Amino acid sequence: KAGVTQTPRYLIKTRGQQVTLSCSPISGHRSVSWYQQTPGQGLQFLFEYFSETQRNKGNFPGRFSGRQFSNSRSEMNVSTLELGDSALYLCASSSASRQGAYNEQFFGPGTRLTVL
Amino acid sequence: QQQVKQSPQSLIVQKGGISIINCAYENTAFDYFPWYQQFPGKGPALLIAIRPDVSEKKEGRFTISFNKSAKQFSLHIMDSQPGDSATYFCASFLTGANNLFFGTGTRLTVIP
Repeated sequence: KAGVTQTPRYLIKTRGQQVTLSCSPISGHRSVSWYQQTPGQGLQFLFEYFSETQRNKGNFPGRFSGRQFSNSRSEMNVSTLELGDSALYLCASSSASRQGAYNEQFFGPGTRLTVL
Repeated sequence: QQQVKQSPQSLIVQKGGISIINCAYENTAFDYFPWYQQFPGKGPALLIAIRPDVSEKKEGRFTISFNKSAKQFSLHIMDSQPGDSATYFCASFLTGANNLFFGTGTRLTVIP
């Protein structure tokens, strides 16, 4: 089974621009979560999508948004980029097959975003 | 507010030694405690996990010790190997929020 794939792997943008990152989950997985990883803050939860609906959201400004398509692929968008948005953005998918219980999250390799 | 605190930030261990990483959490509603291992250029991968009704779980050279009353848990890596050199993250899961809260990570270096 192919793992979680993320594109692009590396991205360089300038302040004020916007960016869209893509995540393809493991086949059959319906839940996709996004995380921001930085040296200072570690891994922080952005949001989770399940069956095309945002189910949970972390404590990030509205400039960070996402969506999920009917094939479970997900995109994350960051508008009006700031220098502090430079980070590794990780996507994780899970089957979410067990309601009310932990379902293992499988992480992709991430997209390294650099904002200049 | 950091809900999961992890220490140390970095750790250097000789081959064959024991690596110990500690975590403390605040929210007693957390109900699952996984540890993740991350190699450079890769995403985190689940290493081992424990539920709060168990005090210890062992898988090969990796052991989680869990102290519910102290709200602390730790990862022990026995007979540490150079291939174990990676960044380790503890995490706590809140079923109601379906969300993982991660510690800040420990960079482990095992010297041959």
